[in-house]
Amino acid sequence: GAGVSQSPSNKVTEKGKDVELRCDPISGHTALYWYRQSLGQGLEFLIYFQGNSAPDKSGLPSDRFSAERTGGSVSTLTIQRTQQEDSAVYLCASFRGGQGFSDTQYFGPGTRLTVL
Amino acid sequence: DAKTTQPPSMDCAEGRAANLPCNHSTISGNEYVYWYRQIHSQGPQYIIHGLKNNETNEMASLIITEDRKSSTLILPHATLRDTAVYYCIVRVKGGNQFYFGTGTSLTVIP
Repeated sequence: GAGVSQSPSNKVTEKGKDVELRCDPISGHTALYWYRQSLGQGLEFLIYFQGNSAPDKSGLPSDRFSAERTGGSVSTLTIQRTQQEDSAVYLCASFRGGQGFSDTQYFGPGTRLTVL
Repeated sequence: DAKTTQPPSMDCAEGRAANLPCNHSTISGNEYVYWYRQIHSQGPQYIIHGLKNNETNEMASLIITEDRKSSTLILPHATLRDTAVYYCIVRVKGGNQFYFGTGTSLTVIP
């Protein structure tokens, strides 16, 4: 079946502009994560959605970052008033959730964001 | 939350076994150990996971010490395509967050 998809694959924007990044999880997966990966760094957790529960936003670096998940499926990560330090690869991952601790995450290819 | 510690880089000769260590000394009793790898410019890929018993699948073996404070990922016959950053992760008790460690950059040398 189809994996996790993300769009756009690359986004170049000017400082101060808003951007929206999209994630389409695997069908039937109830849990969705957003991560950020700066050049040469590990993955930084941003936000987690599980079913209809309130999202875990503890990883969002500032109030310029927000995310929503519509209909329990597609998710959009929005960055307002982008800054150069926001430049990174933004990765989305989904997993089935609710079926025990052993479920694994499936990652999308990421969106490479460059803020000029 | 249990944190993980990994060496930043390792080399391995092609065809030999690659043994990647991970320390997770504060792991809780029902936290699993997961391994992922990330090949350049791709999203991370699941490799294997375990709780306390050793595990093996078509990609790798996972050896977890009896006290569960450390583990080793074994790639039995490394190939050039195994060159990647390998992440050791523990899953938070009662939650669903995955905290990625620093990762080990494995280079398989011809």
